[in-house]
Amino acid sequence: EIVMTQSPATLSVSPGERATLSCRASQSVSSNLAWYQQKPGQAPRLLIYGASTRATGIPARFSGSGSGTEFTLTISSLQSEDFAVYYCQQYNNWPSLTFGGGTKVEIK
Amino acid sequence: QVQLQESGPGLVKPSQTLSLTCTVSGGSISSGGYYWSWIRQHPGKGLEWIGYIYYSGSTYYNPSLKSRVTISVDTSKNQFSLKLSSVTAADTAVYYCARDQEGYLDYWGQGTLVTVSS
Repeated sequence: EIVMTQSPATLSVSPGERATLSCRASQSVSSNLAWYQQKPGQAPRLLIYGASTRATGIPARFSGSGSGTEFTLTISSLQSEDFAVYYCQQYNNWPSLTFGGGTKVEIK
Repeated sequence: QVQLQESGPGLVKPSQTLSLTCTVSGGSISSGGYYWSWIRQHPGKGLEWIGYIYYSGSTYYNPSLKSRVTISVDTSKNQFSLKLSSVTAADTAVYYCARDQEGYLDYWGQGTLVTVSS
């Protein structure tokens, strides 16, 4: 099983600042990597797939990069609605899917 | 706009079978091209993929749950279902259904909390 590790577990950021979230795979997943946002009491929402392609309706302030084992989600200027938990998920081994443990982005 | 909605009992007794249904609207399961997945999230924890089904009935399950999981589809009702047998307290979680685009999950249901308790 491919293990996904996210860091940091919690990220404290002020509104308007840039947030950088990391995700590492235990083995190469090529560009088969997705990012999701989850707010309390809600289902996850797809942000990024293919490591860098924004899903429909996702603002341009969200960007993804990386390939192989190292990936980054960047939120260029945090808005109030962006404070949430973010998960990465690999699908290189599809149909087996595995998620990272999540990064909570909180208000500093 | 595709929408998914989970339904089923919120409370299941230990050793019994958990049964949930996901109703899809805004798109037809039988049109093909997509897979239909179940995912769960233990309270305050991360996400665990359970398995998927294709409209044809082909399935694939998480090896860690495979012995207890059955996913089925009813294309006439545009629904797919999850059965998880011999449940314990460790199966208490929010269960989500989602559309699987061969790896990434682009539409999700709102989730339903299932508690395993006597």
